[in-house]
Amino acid sequence: DQQVKQNSPSLSVQEGRISILNCDYTNSMFDYFLWYKKYPAEGPTFLISISSIKDKNEDGRFTVFLNKSAKHLSLHIVPSQPGDSAVYFCAASAKSNAGKSTFGDGTTLTVKP
Amino acid sequence: NAGVTQTPKFRILKIGQSMTLQCTQDMNHNYMYWYRQDPGMGLKLIYYSVGAGITDKGEVPNGYNVSRSTTEDFPLRLELAAPSQTSVYFCACHGGTETQYFGPGTRLLVL
Repeated sequence: DQQVKQNSPSLSVQEGRISILNCDYTNSMFDYFLWYKKYPAEGPTFLISISSIKDKNEDGRFTVFLNKSAKHLSLHIVPSQPGDSAVYFCAASAKSNAGKSTFGDGTTLTVKP
Repeated sequence: NAGVTQTPKFRILKIGQSMTLQCTQDMNHNYMYWYRQDPGMGLKLIYYSVGAGITDKGEVPNGYNVSRSTTEDFPLRLELAAPSQTSVYFCACHGGTETQYFGPGTRLLVL
């Protein structure tokens, strides 16, 4: 049973528009959620995170929203830029679990000029 | 400050051969992890360590072994390579803030 799901394998948006990437989770013990960005032939890099005590966290063009009742989070990128084209992984962790994160399968974002 | 380094970048193994994937971090983080990423899939945890001398299995540990003799190093050992171990391997570490820092990965092809 996959505990973190990213149901959209790919997303294509026009430069300047909003990109919305979605993630669902099933484990109610998760209390910290992260988004990582990955370019080809590189390791994932941390993008933004949110604690379960919050429902929104913003960092520049990136905003993460958390809906705990729906067990759903989303990453908004506004405005989208061609350099944002990458694979985005959603991850979730529980403080009680040795810092281990469970990752979704990723969404490939393509931003067209 | 190099962060997390992994060697080699790429390796081709024959079935039944063994090898060690190296991972070193200079961030003085206690927690270290090994993941594999298969095409189109997310990261699956192979093994992890919460500090020197302590290791534990993750989600997909079969066919692998690890050791953690120092804070800096966390090598991953494949004893009898199989085609199913063809993957990209990532090492990561974190210092207690939940954010993990990843190495650049090792691409392994088993033929």
